[in-house]
Amino acid sequence: EVQLVESGGGLVQPGGSLRLSCAASGFTLSTYRMNWVRQAPGKGLEWISYISGSGAIIYYADSVKGRFTISRDNAESSLYLQMNSLRDEDTAVYFCVRDSGGWSFDYWGQGSLVTVSS
Amino acid sequence: SFELTQPPSVSVSPGQTASITCSGDKLRHKSVCWYQQRPGQSPILVIYQNTQRPSGIPERFSGSNSGSSATLTIGGTQPMDEADYYCQAWDSSTAWRLFGGGTKLTVL
Repeated sequence: EVQLVESGGGLVQPGGSLRLSCAASGFTLSTYRMNWVRQAPGKGLEWISYISGSGAIIYYADSVKGRFTISRDNAESSLYLQMNSLRDEDTAVYFCVRDSGGWSFDYWGQGSLVTVSS
Repeated sequence: SFELTQPPSVSVSPGQTASITCSGDKLRHKSVCWYQQRPGQSPILVIYQNTQRPSGIPERFSGSNSGSSATLTIGGTQPMDEADYYCQAWDSSTAWRLFGGGTKLTVL
């Protein structure tokens, strides 16, 4: 059974940093592209970052470019999101999402809540 | 930049057909997928590659894509189908995976 379990969320002050982790199981992580998607309270879904299976190709949405860094450790079956210079508007549930290969997301984690507030 | 536009809300009576549209420039040339998100839950994929249904998704869910709009159709809508629905496509110029703003489907 495919499982994606996020961790590392919490309350952080504006300007602070946080690192999210996603533990993948039930499949071979290295053979799949992965993404992070977030959802602000009461708002829609926002794709924020993509990483290829090897980690060689990375994309970011403009809203997080230069502040967030996506990475992966295939040996540890883990995906990461390093978030720096956090802003109030980064408050959201962050989902770890598997890319099916057909330009769609076939598995989602349960999400990790990040709250940026003073 | 490429954008996907959905109606904020759609209402349907139980047993009737619900249609949710997603519009965007040259959308017919893109692969569109749809997600269902019930309150407090993670999204699930209900349609991929415009018309394909993942295993486990009921046959009443179908998709189409022509012109400048893609459509998610739910035939014989049930109360359990009440949820938010999001379309998504890949913008080849930026490699971004973009979502529509979401549509709240109410079954009443």
